[in-house]
Amino acid sequence: DAGVIQSPRHEVTEMGQEVTLRCKPISGHDYLFWYRQTMMRGLELLIYFNNNVPIDDSGMPEDRFSAKMPNASFSTLKIQPSEPRDSAVYFCASSSGGGNEKLFFGSGTQLSVL
Amino acid sequence: GIQVEQSPPDLILQEGANSTLRCNFSDSVNNLQWFHQNPWGQLINLFYIPSGTKQNGRLSATTVATERYSLLYISSSQTTDSGVYFCAVEYTGRRALTFGSGTRLQVQP
Repeated sequence: DAGVIQSPRHEVTEMGQEVTLRCKPISGHDYLFWYRQTMMRGLELLIYFNNNVPIDDSGMPEDRFSAKMPNASFSTLKIQPSEPRDSAVYFCASSSGGGNEKLFFGSGTQLSVL
Repeated sequence: GIQVEQSPPDLILQEGANSTLRCNFSDSVNNLQWFHQNPWGQLINLFYIPSGTKQNGRLSATTVATERYSLLYISSSQTTDSGVYFCAVEYTGRRALTFGSGTRLQVQP
């Protein structure tokens, strides 16, 4: 398996623009997580899905953020409109639910909002 | 919410030295994992260790769940061990990991 795949690796955009981050989890994993990493707040959970259903979105900062998982192999995180304070590294991660639940991360998307 | 405290925050070692990183958590946990974030930003899972002891090469980890702490041991450190080590825990009722603030390790040649 190629692991968790995220795109793009880097995104530079201007304030007010819509940003869409994409993630393909490891095949067979039924949990998918979106995390954000900043110097000030460290690694924080934004939202997670189980079997494509959002379970906990309490970490989503505000209504400008939305996430979807239309099928087991694809998820998106959208920011509309983007703001400079959204600049961070966004990680997608996946795990199975069956006991040895190691979490595997993608390479992340470095987002810069100017 | 659950607190995850890691110590020390920073550590500088000479190549070949051994080290112990500590993770304290504030409540009962179902799951505890250790990660290494390399200088390129990649997060690599080192251990899934809710309790007991595991070893993987020069690395080993021990979790004492009843006393709410975990230790990561690095022996014969190499420059490639440099980066940030994160402890993350999952507590009952929330199927997601909460991360500590990490220990930044620098191994000098």
